[in-house]
Amino acid sequence: DAGITQSPRYKITETGRQVTLMCHQTWSHSYMFWYRQDLGHGLRLIYYSAAADITDKGEVPDGYVVSRSKTENFPLTLESATRSQTSVYFCASSRTSEYEQYFGPGTRLTVT
Amino acid sequence: GENVEQHPSTLSVQEGDSAVIKCTYSDSASNYFPWYKQELGKRPQLIIDIRSNVGEKKDQRIAVTLNKTAKHFSLHITETQPEDSAVYFCAAASGNTPLVFGKGTRLSVIA
Repeated sequence: DAGITQSPRYKITETGRQVTLMCHQTWSHSYMFWYRQDLGHGLRLIYYSAAADITDKGEVPDGYVVSRSKTENFPLTLESATRSQTSVYFCASSRTSEYEQYFGPGTRLTVT
Repeated sequence: GENVEQHPSTLSVQEGDSAVIKCTYSDSASNYFPWYKQELGKRPQLIIDIRSNVGEKKDQRIAVTLNKTAKHFSLHITETQPEDSAVYFCAAASGNTPLVFGKGTRLSVIA
C-alpha cells in the first residue's frame, strides 16, 4: 500500500478556487483512477487513465480535469471548486482493468 | 454500461453468525468480480475476487459465489468477528472498461 500516495491528505478551500489533488504510484501500473466517496453513493469514478497520455471520463467528470504525462502521476484538478465537490477523493492504480485496484489513503476536501 | 446493485445497504449480525451480501450486475460481458472492505476512515482494500470461469472461491472465513446465468454474485462471511465490521463493496468489470462498484453494505458485528 505504501506504493500509492496522495497529497494533500486534507484540504480546505473556498468556492471558486482551483485545487489540484496529487496521486503518485511506484508500481508502474498502467491504469490509474480517481473516485469520490460520498455517503450513500459509494465510490463514483471521476476519470481514469489506461496509460500515459490516455484519459477517459467516468461517471461524474463534470468540474474536474486530469492529465497523465508520466505513468506514475495522475493529478486531479478542480478548476473552480463548488460546495458540491466537498468529498473524500481516492486515487487507485492497477495493472489492468480486470485486476486488483490499490487505493491511496484518500484526500478529504472541504469547499467552503 | 454496467450497473451493479448491492443488497442490503446495512446488515447487523451477532458475533459468530454468518453474513451474506448480494450483488447483481447488468453486463453479461463482465468477467471480473472483486469485493473490497473499507474500515472506518481507511481506504478500500481487496478481500477476495472471482473470475467468470470460476463458480466459487474461498479464503478462510470468506467465500464468494458467482452465478453468471442469473448475473449475480455473493459474499459469504462465516463465524463473524467484531473486526469484520466495515463497509463492503462489490464491483464488476469487463474487457477494458473500469470497475463499476455497488453502493456498499455497512456490516455491524455485535459482540
